[in-house]
Amino acid sequence: NAGVTQTPKFQVLKTGQSMTLQCAQDMNHNSMYWYRQDPGMGLRLIYYSASEGTTDKGEVPNGYNVSRLNKREFSLRLESAAPSQTSVYFCASSDLRVAQYFGPGTRLLVL
Amino acid sequence: AQKITQTQPGMFVQEKEAVTLDCTYDTSDPSYGLFWYKQPSSGEMIFLIYQGSYDQQNATEGRYSLNFQKARKSANLVISASQLGDSAMYFCAMREPYGGATNKLIFGTGTLLAVQP
Repeated sequence: NAGVTQTPKFQVLKTGQSMTLQCAQDMNHNSMYWYRQDPGMGLRLIYYSASEGTTDKGEVPNGYNVSRLNKREFSLRLESAAPSQTSVYFCASSDLRVAQYFGPGTRLLVL
Repeated sequence: AQKITQTQPGMFVQEKEAVTLDCTYDTSDPSYGLFWYKQPSSGEMIFLIYQGSYDQQNATEGRYSLNFQKARKSANLVISASQLGDSAMYFCAMREPYGGATNKLIFGTGTLLAVQP
């Protein structure tokens, strides 16, 4: 089992460009999450999907959109990237009452 | 509102010694879960240990144990016999009440642990 996979691992964008971060899990988990990690601020929840077909905003959703494509896949889209979105992005999955398992992260630099 | 506080930005420990990483939390709900994650320099987030608010005993996983003091709202991670490979950032996290359907976590800001030979 691969667990949680994310693509790409690294990305550099120019301000205003768009991109989609992909996430997939093979643990048959119902819930999936997108976080961003910035220095000194821990991980903050951007969006989550409690189950297939549902998505909800987290703590810092502005500038992002998500799609729960199916039970396995949950993508994060930046429509018009801004330097403030330079961060490390983590995808995670879980079921109720168990730990969240994280992907390896995507390092995004917006110039 | 729920909150997690890690007051130690960084710590040093000698190899083979024990170390305690502090975590305090704030919630008004009696039902919650507490987690610790390790983030080595390679960047991945690794789940270490879990404590439920109704668990009668402190959680243990190998060299990791959780010193859970409910009245003080603290959930400190204890690492016994530190190894060089324990050098990493450690995050404490809390899950919203069991009644919630989302299993969302809120994270502290982390403690950077450096194990010295």
